[in-house]
Amino acid sequence: EIVLTQSPTTMAASPGEKVTLTCRASSSVSYMHWYQQKSGASPKLWIYDTSNRASGVPNRFSGSGSGTSYSLTISSMETEDAATYYCQQWSSNPPTWTFGGGTKLELK
Amino acid sequence: EVKLVESGGGLVQPGRSLKLSCAASGFNFNDYWMGWVRQAPGKGLEWIGEINKDSSTINYTPSLKDKFTISRDNAQNTLYLQMSKLGSEDTAIYYCAREGELPFDYWGQGVMVTVSS
Repeated sequence: EIVLTQSPTTMAASPGEKVTLTCRASSSVSYMHWYQQKSGASPKLWIYDTSNRASGVPNRFSGSGSGTSYSLTISSMETEDAATYYCQQWSSNPPTWTFGGGTKLELK
Repeated sequence: EVKLVESGGGLVQPGRSLKLSCAASGFNFNDYWMGWVRQAPGKGLEWIGEINKDSSTINYTPSLKDKFTISRDNAQNTLYLQMSKLGSEDTAIYYCAREGELPFDYWGQGVMVTVSS
């Protein structure tokens, strides 16, 4: 079973600041998905297959990574980006989806 | 418009059972895997399990396999989650989600389940 560890757990960024969130897998994986969840709302698919933005996601968001280390980057923080971000991965043995613990991104 | 609407939540006593429903609309329900995810108060997302299009494959997170049962009724465009032997650790918001070419691309609004005496 794959374990996903996100860092930092919480962070604050100022408008215009570049932000990088990290997700580390306990063993090598071939892709990572990311979800955004705002307070009181359902999660939304944000980045899929490591680097593809979901529909409607601003292009200031990007995803990258390989092996055991993946990241979600915001090129220039905006107010609306304050949320919790979760990474996600599929493991075939046993067949399970796993979420990381999340990174809460706050506005400074 | 894709819509997923969960129902059936509420307050339930420890040790009892509860069945959640997820009504789907706006897409061909028969063509998609469906899943359940929960979120305890102030905590992160926990995947519960998923079911394929014709119910021939159902996967669960190992720790919940003996307590929870996922099923679907394609004629009624509805996904179900039967929960048994509920404990306080099962208090959470329960979400249903669609799994297609994109992972978990649509989510319901969630339904709250509170386990308490």
